[in-house]
Amino acid sequence: NAGVTQTPKFQVLKTGQSMTLQCAQDMNHNSMYWYRQDPGMGLRLIYYSASEGTTDKGEVPNGYNVSRLNKREFSLRLESAAPSQTSVYFCASSPTGSGNTIYFGEGSWLTVV
Amino acid sequence: AQSVAQPEDQVNVAEGNPLTVKCTYSVSGNPYLFWYVQYPNRGLQFLLKYITGDNLVKGSYGFEAEFNKSQTSFHLKKPSALVSDSALYFCAVRDTKLYSGAGSYQLTFGKGTKLSVIP
Repeated sequence: NAGVTQTPKFQVLKTGQSMTLQCAQDMNHNSMYWYRQDPGMGLRLIYYSASEGTTDKGEVPNGYNVSRLNKREFSLRLESAAPSQTSVYFCASSPTGSGNTIYFGEGSWLTVV
Repeated sequence: AQSVAQPEDQVNVAEGNPLTVKCTYSVSGNPYLFWYVQYPNRGLQFLLKYITGDNLVKGSYGFEAEFNKSQTSFHLKKPSALVSDSALYFCAVRDTKLYSGAGSYQLTFGKGTKLSVIP
């Protein structure tokens, strides 16, 4: 009954370092998403993948890349981390269809120093 | 464009009293509306949604929300608040008129309302 699983849970990076956040879902959902959450800003969409093999930019894609490795997995990469990328990152997934619910992972806390 | 507003950053309510967390939205077509709750250091949990049909939607943990098309609102309510309801609540909207072309339907979130239930 795992749902959406993200790793790592916590990470501290130095400015300029790179890292990849991993996400996997076991609900056989077609669509997957990466959001970031900042105080007073709510959740903002970074990238999404409507289905395996496709990815699209969301509201705040700069500084990030994504890979939809297969139907289950959707990773988020920071090539050269900046302090402005200090945030909580959430992976999510949903079935195809506009009325369907998005289900979230537990979050990854990233600090860039 | 689709947008959602939660006009209150924080709502305080005494335990046992009714609670309301406000949400208004703006869309071009018809809205699909969602409420999520986030407990400290956790992910967002789905509470309820309005897609079509009855304007009063019932969800998890005794919460309900009323869709009001004329006021473009979707306020979250509960008849009797519990201390364990204290959390961050997010309203979200999806515009049925928008289509990304990639088959995905983006959800836009409000900035969240912190609910504190006082014993």
